[in-house]
Amino acid sequence: QVQLQESGPGLVKPSGTLSLTCAVSGGSISSSNWWSWVRQPPGKGLEWIGEIYHSGSTNYNPSLKSRVTISVDKSKNQFSLKLSSVTAADTAVYYCARGCSSGWSLEYFQHWGQGTLVTVSS
Amino acid sequence: AIQLTQSPSSLSASVGDRVTITCRASQGISSALAWYQQKPGKAPKLLIYDASSLESGVPSRFSGSGSGTDFTLTISSLQPEDFATYYCQQFNNYPLTFGGGTKVEIK
Repeated sequence: QVQLQESGPGLVKPSGTLSLTCAVSGGSISSSNWWSWVRQPPGKGLEWIGEIYHSGSTNYNPSLKSRVTISVDKSKNQFSLKLSSVTAADTAVYYCARGCSSGWSLEYFQHWGQGTLVTVSS
Repeated sequence: AIQLTQSPSSLSASVGDRVTITCRASQGISSALAWYQQKPGKAPKLLIYDASSLESGVPSRFSGSGSGTDFTLTISSLQPEDFATYYCQQFNNYPLTFGGGTKVEIK
């Protein structure tokens, strides 16, 4: 059973860069899956941030694209998120997730990490 | 981006009730729709994918239907553990998007 675990600072200063890592266990990050980041501001809904394939190919949400970088480290079986120029609006629980597909479409999310709260505050 | 509109945004129901939640897409998405259940402080849990396929291990009281722009999630007989927030997600186009959520509360 694939398990995902987010890690990273819980507090980031405004204008700084949010950095999170998702460690994958019970499966290989080099499998035929896309790996995503999804966030949820307190009390609000879910927002897809972007995804990466083990080859390094990425897709980003246009609303965040200018500030987001997702990378993969196959040697450590993990992938990472960097979000630059953060403001209070970026305060959220950040989830990593494994995308699944029936082959005819893009991805839904079968496996999720537990989530990590990142607060943007001075 | 494709907008997903869920209705209602919240509802109150009793144990044993039949509950229906709808998700309308701003443009056709074929059957590329998933439903998730989220409880407070927890990650979303996949219930339904491809609009009507039940995820392994999910009780059969959950079902999904629809294609194109209009979709429904039905809980045939609401159980105490089903009180949660439900989200739809489309995976037909980038960016992947979610509905605003439907909170199912105890009447």
